Amino acid sequence: AQTVTQSQPEMSVQEAETVTLSCTYDTSENNYYLFWYKQPPSRQMILVIRQEAYKQQNATENRFSVNFQKAAKSFSLKISDSQLGDTAMYFCAFMKHARRADSWGKFQFGAGTQVVVTP
Amino acid sequence: DVKVTQSSRYLVKRTGEKVFLECVQDMDHENMFWYRQDPGLGLRLIYFSYDVKMKEKGDIPEGYSVSREKKERFSLILESASTNQTSMYLCASSHRLATSKNIQYFGAGTRLSVL
Repeated sequence: AQTVTQSQPEMSVQEAETVTLSCTYDTSENNYYLFWYKQPPSRQMILVIRQEAYKQQNATENRFSVNFQKAAKSFSLKISDSQLGDTAMYFCAFMKHARRADSWGKFQFGAGTQVVVTP
Repeated sequence: DVKVTQSSRYLVKRTGEKVFLECVQDMDHENMFWYRQDPGLGLRLIYFSYDVKMKEKGDIPEGYSVSREKKERFSLILESASTNQTSMYLCASSHRLATSKNIQYFGAGTRLSVL
């Protein structure tokens, strides 16, 4: 079974600064997908960014970028130019590549990191 | 936009009651999921359905059952609610197509309190 570890329960960052959230995972799979999701206070969880393990290039989405280190099984999220609206719980998730319908699409989530952006 | 709707944002139930949590998605997704979210534990998968009437146990299925009679609707059932089932429950759905990028779309959550 895969495990996903987010070692930082909470992080605080000032507006316009950069913060990096760590995520490590344990798997014997070679082909898989990684995700960062954001859950703002009292709001729905939404996808921030995703990465396919077979792609070496790190994914970026505007101010959000990842550092994917496959050998180290590490998938950190960098938030640049932090904004007050980035205050949220951030979850790292792992999905293995599966061929059977009864195992396709299942995620393993980390415990989450609470990010607080201060003025 | 994909919409995943959970029938209630807040529910208060008594110990021993039968509780139904409903989830509806409007994007013809094959997969639907029920998670439980607790502080410090992240999201844990309760049950997963990959087609109508098909279900798979997740990591913590004990005390729960599910029903998927129609593709768009996935229900979570607590047969006899207990206080340790007080939690936030999240529903999600996803396509099984490779082109879908495997993204799960979430509902707003139901905060259940069992007294």
